[in-house]
Amino acid sequence: EAQVTQNPRYLITVTGKKLTVTCSQNMNHEYMSWYRQDPGLGLRQIYYSMNVEVTDKGDVPEGYKVSRKEKRNFPLILESPSPNQTSLYFCASSLMPGQGSYEQYFGPGTRLTVT
Amino acid sequence: DAKTTQPPSMDCAEGRAANLPCNHSTISGNEYVYWYRQIHSQGPQYIIHGLKNNETNEMASLIITEDRKSSTLILPHATLRDTAVYYCIVRVSLTGGSGSRLTFGEGTQLTVNP
Repeated sequence: EAQVTQNPRYLITVTGKKLTVTCSQNMNHEYMSWYRQDPGLGLRQIYYSMNVEVTDKGDVPEGYKVSRKEKRNFPLILESPSPNQTSLYFCASSLMPGQGSYEQYFGPGTRLTVT
Repeated sequence: DAKTTQPPSMDCAEGRAANLPCNHSTISGNEYVYWYRQIHSQGPQYIIHGLKNNETNEMASLIITEDRKSSTLILPHATLRDTAVYYCIVRVSLTGGSGSRLTFGEGTQLTVNP
């Protein structure tokens, strides 16, 4: 089954404790990205990657890091989480434009709470 | 990307057609109309997209006006499981990079009632 998986699905942590949210897709997609969703602000892109070792900032990259060492994985790293990073996070993947459907597939979400 | 306007909420009776409107009066000739939905904090789900012609798939139909300034998503036989927030997104199919970002507005909360 084609899917994007994220782990953990729920996480409560404390300020300053480094954490990683994993994202994996099994569709051989080049493009992957991270969004955060907050009430009244919609979904905002954090980082994206167009292929292995190619990453770039989205709209709200401050406080986050990413890496793309393998095509299927795109982990989101919070080196020193703060309460304003409490949010619902989604990973997404898709083919690159010109390669067919431009549909983006989203993971189930990770609800992060930073106290 | 062109701005879209959607009603904040709509109701529909189960089994009836749900018609969700979207205005995109500033759309450019090379911009597509995409529809996604999000069921209660789950990941957004792609529904359909189109450029000029009407489109239909197993989930829905997309009707785009001739001037392309508005569109309607039609769920032909709404079920309770179609209760969700529906997002209309207009964007250019660029060659990747930030152009692949989807800009989600507030969408329309569709509630399907028994």
